[in-house]
Amino acid sequence: DAGVTQSPTHLIKTRGQQVTLRCSPKSGHDTVSWYQQALGQGPQFIFQYYEEEERQRGNFPDRFSGHQFPNYSSELNVNALLLGDSALYLCASSPAGAGYEQYFGPGTRLTVT
Amino acid sequence: AQTVTQSQPEMSVQEAETVTLSCTYDTSESNYYLFWYKQPPSRQMILVIRQEAYKQQNATENRFSVNFQKAAKSFSLKISDSQLGDTAMYFCAFKGPAGGTSYGKLTFGQGTILTVHP
Repeated sequence: DAGVTQSPTHLIKTRGQQVTLRCSPKSGHDTVSWYQQALGQGPQFIFQYYEEEERQRGNFPDRFSGHQFPNYSSELNVNALLLGDSALYLCASSPAGAGYEQYFGPGTRLTVT
Repeated sequence: AQTVTQSQPEMSVQEAETVTLSCTYDTSESNYYLFWYKQPPSRQMILVIRQEAYKQQNATENRFSVNFQKAAKSFSLKISDSQLGDTAMYFCAFKGPAGGTSYGKLTFGQGTILTVHP
């Protein structure tokens, strides 16, 4: 049983560019959450998708947007990249429901130069 | 808004000994979920243990156990018989109940770097 997968593993972008990160949830999971983790810090919640809708959003600007597909996979898009967007981006999946823990993917390391 | 605080930036322990990592949180919710996650240098975040606030009994998973003090809003992690593979960053995390403002999202602490020495 494959766990949560993310692609790419790492990438380098230039300020002002746009980037798309991808996530495939663990089998049987229909909810996907995205987190941003700066170096040496705890992850910060960006947003969560369920039934192809954004269910909840953290304190991130509109430059951060997402999408969930019918097969529950998800994308995170970041426009007009800033140097401060450099971070590890984590995807987590879970079944719907409050009590379920989230399972994390290996992350995508984004570097903005 | 919920907050999670880990006051120990770094801890170290000798192999086979016991170590306790501290976590406090702030919430107005009465029902919620608490987690400890481990993030080794390979960066994959792994669930270590979870606790439901409505359960009085402390959770245990093999060498890992928690001391959950709801009134004090404290949630510490005890690692017994520490192993070299326990070396990692440990995060305490909070998740609110269904229908609450923090439903669905995890709020993490700043993390504690644990080093196990041979």
